[in-house]
Amino acid sequence: KAGVTQTPRYLIKTRGQQVTLSCSPISGHRSVSWYQQTPGQGLQFLFEYFSETQRNKGNFPGRFSGRQFSNSRSEMNVSTLELGDSALYLCASSRGEEYNEQFFGPGTRLTVL
Amino acid sequence: AQSVAQPEDQVNVAEGNPLTVKCTYSVSGNPYLFWYVQYPNRGLQFLLKYITGDNLVKGSYGFEAEFNKSQTSFHLKKPSALVSDSALYFCAVRVISGGYNKLIFGAGTRLAVHP
Repeated sequence: KAGVTQTPRYLIKTRGQQVTLSCSPISGHRSVSWYQQTPGQGLQFLFEYFSETQRNKGNFPGRFSGRQFSNSRSEMNVSTLELGDSALYLCASSRGEEYNEQFFGPGTRLTVL
Repeated sequence: AQSVAQPEDQVNVAEGNPLTVKCTYSVSGNPYLFWYVQYPNRGLQFLLKYITGDNLVKGSYGFEAEFNKSQTSFHLKKPSALVSDSALYFCAVRVISGGYNKLIFGAGTRLAVHP
C-alpha cells in the first residue's frame, strides 16, 4: 500500500508571496491533518479535514487555510508569507477515528526569504 | 491545561543496554496516547499506541510502552538498544480543546545510541 505523499518536497518563496502544498493520503483514509514543525515551536497542529470538511483546527492565523477534495487529497495554502512561516509542513492521514494512528508523509520544507 | 511533556531533551545509551524515553500527560478523561519516531529529513513513523486494556503495549522495532494511570505516564522502552534506534522520538496525546479534537505532541526527545 502506497504511503502518504507530499509535493513539492522543497520550496523557496519570498515574503508576501503565497504557497500551496499538496498531500495525497493512504488509499481508504478519509482524514488528513496538517502540522507545522519548527525547531523552536516543535510540532504544531494546523487543521484536519475529514470527508471534505474542516473538522478540527489549531491556533494559526487565517493566512493558513486548506481544503480536501472528494478523493481525500488535500491542499494547504499559506498567503502573505512571513519569514516565520519557514518550516517543515507535515501531512498525516488516518481512518478518522480519534484512536486511529496517523501516517505521516515526508513533509514539504518551506523556506521564506 | 491539557498537555504532554517529554522531560528529557536527549537520552544517551550504549548499544545493547535498555533504553527509556519518558512521557507524562495531562488530559481530561481517558487518554489516547501515541509514540512516533522521526529520522533525519523524514516524516514521523508510528511506533505504538495505548487506547485501553493492557497497560503494556508492544509496538514496532521491538519498542514497548507502559501506561501508568496513577503517574500519568507513558514511557517508551526497549530492552536492548541498537545504533539504528538513534532518532527523534515524540509522544502524543489526543485532547479536546476549544471544542476541537486534536493530537498534541511533546517537544521530542533525541535518542543517541553509542556503539
